[in-house]
Amino acid sequence: DSGVTQTPKHLITATGQRVTLRCSPRSGDLSVYWYQQSLDQGLQFLIHYYNGEERAKGNILERFSAQQFPDLHSELNLSSLELGDSALYFCASSVGGASGYQETQYFGPGTRLLVL
Amino acid sequence: EDKVVQSPLSLVVHEGDTVTLNCSYEVTNFRSLLWYKQEKKAPTFLFMLTSSGIEKKSGRLSSILDKKELSSILNITATQTGDSAIYLCAAHNFNKFYFGSGTKLNVKP
Repeated sequence: DSGVTQTPKHLITATGQRVTLRCSPRSGDLSVYWYQQSLDQGLQFLIHYYNGEERAKGNILERFSAQQFPDLHSELNLSSLELGDSALYFCASSVGGASGYQETQYFGPGTRLLVL
Repeated sequence: EDKVVQSPLSLVVHEGDTVTLNCSYEVTNFRSLLWYKQEKKAPTFLFMLTSSGIEKKSGRLSSILDKKELSSILNITATQTGDSAIYLCAAHNFNKFYFGSGTKLNVKP
């Protein structure tokens, strides 16, 4: 158990809908990262938050958004869902994003999203 | 463009064999190189490498970083069926982790 929690574990929804995925980082970790992993594909970096502020964006669609709250949990919002959004969504956390840190990143169990 | 490339993409070996997985990176402001093992769930952390030439070991697994060549290798000796997984490497800079596409290792009895 990495200490990172994600809910829900599974989500089935229809095209055009909106869903929210939730992540709680390990105790003491200030950074949260979101990744998308489609079938037989590698991890695609979506977005990084550090202590409530957006730090970096990757290949995140405009239909997707995220935020990190004062208690450091994070939510990834996916809207106008398409069939191609079906994937495993991972959240990972690390201690912090300050310059000079060598970071180890720990992954949550993931949310499996199926869009029908 | 920052990127991480792993090779081979897949590998089939028999129990007891030794395997070497490769990872090369081109990442600005590089900080560290990480290896993960992914079975049918979330990636689990194996190693973090920051200094060139220093080997890290954990049981039958070992890894080393070559900053001059911008590469790293992961060695697994005396492989077991439980080593079957996708092995991911990631390069960390200030704000992002860049992941390779992984090497899928299949260890046959």
